[in-house]
Amino acid sequence: QKEVEQNSGPLSVPEGAIASLNCTYSDRVSQSFFWYRQYSGKSPELIMSIYSNGDKEDGRFTAQLNKASQYVSLLIRDSQPSDSATYLCAVNFMGAGSARQLTFGSGTQLTVLP
Amino acid sequence: DGGITQSPKYLFRKEGQNVTLSCEQNLNHDAMYWYRQDPGQGLRLIYYSQIVNDFQKGDIAEGYSVSREKKESFPLTVTSAQKNPTAFYLCASSIGGTRTRMETQYFGPGTRLLVL
Repeated sequence: QKEVEQNSGPLSVPEGAIASLNCTYSDRVSQSFFWYRQYSGKSPELIMSIYSNGDKEDGRFTAQLNKASQYVSLLIRDSQPSDSATYLCAVNFMGAGSARQLTFGSGTQLTVLP
Repeated sequence: DGGITQSPKYLFRKEGQNVTLSCEQNLNHDAMYWYRQDPGQGLRLIYYSQIVNDFQKGDIAEGYSVSREKKESFPLTVTSAQKNPTAFYLCASSIGGTRTRMETQYFGPGTRLLVL
């Protein structure tokens, strides 16, 4: 059973602080990792993708991957109230017929306090 | 404007009724997916399709059916066999293929299904 685990939160940080979101996964052969942001009542939107060990930065967002520890994280610098949302971690694994599937964590609810 | 559209936004189902959710994409993506999301939970895969006229069951396919007659369209039918259909249904697509970076999935706006 492939599993992706996240702390459900809620996680509250003050405006301007760094928000740190964490995700662990159970499948050692996973190659691709994704962070999606989901506002209440809306569909998920892609924030970051990461494939190699280390850090990947995009604006205020940094994704960190450690395959040996089966751990991926998302850092949000200079958090804004508009960052308040649920953040979903997703990890690929190989499904039937070599098709790749994403397994999603249950999400971490982030609230940025003005 | 490229993207994924889902209709309707809200759908009401009566007991014993089959209902069909529409998903269309004009991104020229080969792969399409259907997920179900229950309150406070992540997404669970219902069905996916890598190419036209082929589809595979996901983790929770019981009570659902799909078709993939055209590349652009991947409708989902919620049958009367699905006893707890109330949820937020999300359609996604990706370029497809087996190369790692081809699997980024993009989501439509979703359909919220409610039981009367």
